[in-house]
Amino acid sequence: QVQVVESGGGVVQPGRSLRLSCAASGFTFSNYVMHWVRQAPGKGLEWVALISYDGSKQYHADSVKGRFTVSRDNSKNTVHLQMNSLRGEDTAVYYCGGSGSNYRIDYWGQGTLVTVSS
Amino acid sequence: QSALTQPASVSGSPGQSITISCTGTSSDVGGYDYVSWYRQHSGKAPKLMIYEVSNRPSGVSDRFSGSKSGNTASLTIAGLQAEDEADYYCSSHTSSSTLVVFGGGTKLTVL
Repeated sequence: QVQVVESGGGVVQPGRSLRLSCAASGFTFSNYVMHWVRQAPGKGLEWVALISYDGSKQYHADSVKGRFTVSRDNSKNTVHLQMNSLRGEDTAVYYCGGSGSNYRIDYWGQGTLVTVSS
Repeated sequence: QSALTQPASVSGSPGQSITISCTGTSSDVGGYDYVSWYRQHSGKAPKLMIYEVSNRPSGVSDRFSGSKSGNTASLTIAGLQAEDEADYYCSSHTSSSTLVVFGGGTKLTVL
């Protein structure tokens, strides 16, 4: 069965870095575009980043551009989100998701909480 | 402020039908047939309910249907059930540098 599991969340001080990981199984990982989506406490969903099937193209939301970088390793069925220069407004549950095509997210993980606080 | 506009809340009684709207612009909802809808129960991960405006993934009840007219997409849930009570989000591909945009979410209450 399909499994998407995020890890790496925690409490971090403003200005510091954190790297999230996402391990996927149960589907052909290299055939799926991968997304990161976040949800601040009590708020709605916000798209964060997308990486193409082979990792050659990455796209980031304007709110994180220049600070966050998405990457993937198809040999390990994993995707990462490197988050630098973290701010309080980055506090959120970060979800990883797999997309079979056309910007929809078919499979979602359970999320990992990132708290940016001094 | 979300890029796509949804009503904050809707409600209905069991067995009734409700519709949730999602309004964007010609740069997103109106320009592409890449509108998706997600259901999120409290404390849980979102689940894909509708993709490409009106398609249901395997396993999603046919009580859920989607449509689009101009810059507004809609999700209709027929025969409301208690389990439908959740938050619903629309999303769309956008021509802006942010490839995907979400609506602010709609809380559905089953009375």
